[in-house]
Amino acid sequence: ETGVTQTPRHLVMGMTNKKSLKCEQHLGHNAMYWYKQSAKKPLELMFVYSLEERVENNSVPSRFSPECPNSSHLFLHLHTLQPEDSALYLCASSHPRVGSSYNSPLHFGNGTRLTVT
Amino acid sequence: AQTVTQSQPEMSVQEAETVTLSCTYDTSESDYYLFWYKQPPSRQMILVIRQEAYKQQNATENRFSVNFQKAAKSFSLKISDSQLGDAAMYFCAYRSAGAQKLVFGQGTRLTINP
Repeated sequence: ETGVTQTPRHLVMGMTNKKSLKCEQHLGHNAMYWYKQSAKKPLELMFVYSLEERVENNSVPSRFSPECPNSSHLFLHLHTLQPEDSALYLCASSHPRVGSSYNSPLHFGNGTRLTVT
Repeated sequence: AQTVTQSQPEMSVQEAETVTLSCTYDTSESDYYLFWYKQPPSRQMILVIRQEAYKQQNATENRFSVNFQKAAKSFSLKISDSQLGDAAMYFCAYRSAGAQKLVFGQGTRLTINP
């Protein structure tokens, strides 16, 4: 049990498909993140939500659409993706609700391995 | 913008030996936090150790310790008595005080030879 659960673990989709990645955390955190991990590249921050509000959006193409309905759930909606979007998508959470500290580390899920065909 | 550099794409060490992974970062800030994460084949990123920039004492966690050189903007990870389970990708990461996001380096793949 990691505390941060991502589903599905693997996803293969065509360029015309619409799919969603799901992330759920049971750690009482109030910030959630989407990172993209491609081969031979540093992890790229895509989105950050704090208290269910988007606080950072790193120039991500509009074919990626995040949704944070509450502090425990985060989605990444995908549509008309490109083959170069194939990567490992990692969700993370941080900051306890009480006694928040910015040295609080990120807790990650196991990721969704996405392949766009 | 802050950047994190890990100059060693791959490292290997004999089991029970000691290995040091290097990390440098670029920032104009004085208050920040540094982390080392491990990513085994299971893909989950696991926190190994963290360091607050305002602390002069180097952090240690069992067999893992850091050499934090603030003036040189260097943050290396030393793994003592290496074990087969230490084999993984290791990522160095930086976080500004008051900021949400974590900036990662490119990672170092560590192999443990039995």
